[in-house]
Amino acid sequence: AQSVTQPDIHITVSEGASLELRCNYSYGATPYLFWYVQSPGQGLQLLLKYFSGDTLVQGIKGFEAEFKRSQSSFNLRKPSVHWSDAAEYFCAVGGYSTLTFGKGTMLLVSP
Amino acid sequence: GAVVSQHPSRVICKSGTSVKIECRSLDFQATTMFWYRQFPKQSLMLMATSNEGSKATYEQGVEKDKFLINHASLTLSTLTVTSAHPEDSSFYICSARAGGNTEAFFGQGTRLTVV
Repeated sequence: AQSVTQPDIHITVSEGASLELRCNYSYGATPYLFWYVQSPGQGLQLLLKYFSGDTLVQGIKGFEAEFKRSQSSFNLRKPSVHWSDAAEYFCAVGGYSTLTFGKGTMLLVSP
Repeated sequence: GAVVSQHPSRVICKSGTSVKIECRSLDFQATTMFWYRQFPKQSLMLMATSNEGSKATYEQGVEKDKFLINHASLTLSTLTVTSAHPEDSSFYICSARAGGNTEAFFGQGTRLTVV
């Protein structure tokens, strides 16, 4: 069975500082990996996805993620966080079927 | 990206009544739609998968008679919460996927409050 672990329930980062959100997955085959962001009371917006090819994936809003097969990880990074990045971030894994989501990491941005 | 519209965004209903939530793909044909439920500070839990023109496949533990899903066209799926109870209060999110495309696009969600 596929699963996703986001070990950090919440993270606080100073505005302008760098960010890394961790994601580990378990999947029986080559995974498709996703990062979504959710603002309060809103749906999910796709930040980036990995299907194949280059293991460093660029997304929207300045985010990137790196797929590391040996570590079963797909960590999300951003070099300089903005206050508007405060939201909840979900990592997800799936194939041609449904997605399995992690429990999310709430990002708080301090001034 | 493609647009998925969910309606209503918020609804309050009385206990014992039924509520219908619509999920529409606005600019693509969605052969598959997914319904998720999200409890406060929790992740999304898949409730069911529906393919156009066929019965929905429900995840284990989801009552199919309580959460009625209809996917009658390639652009519309509905979720009806029947005989709603306060414990059904939650955030419901749909997503839609075109055939052969692994990316699913999400609606903005519906906040259901049962009083």
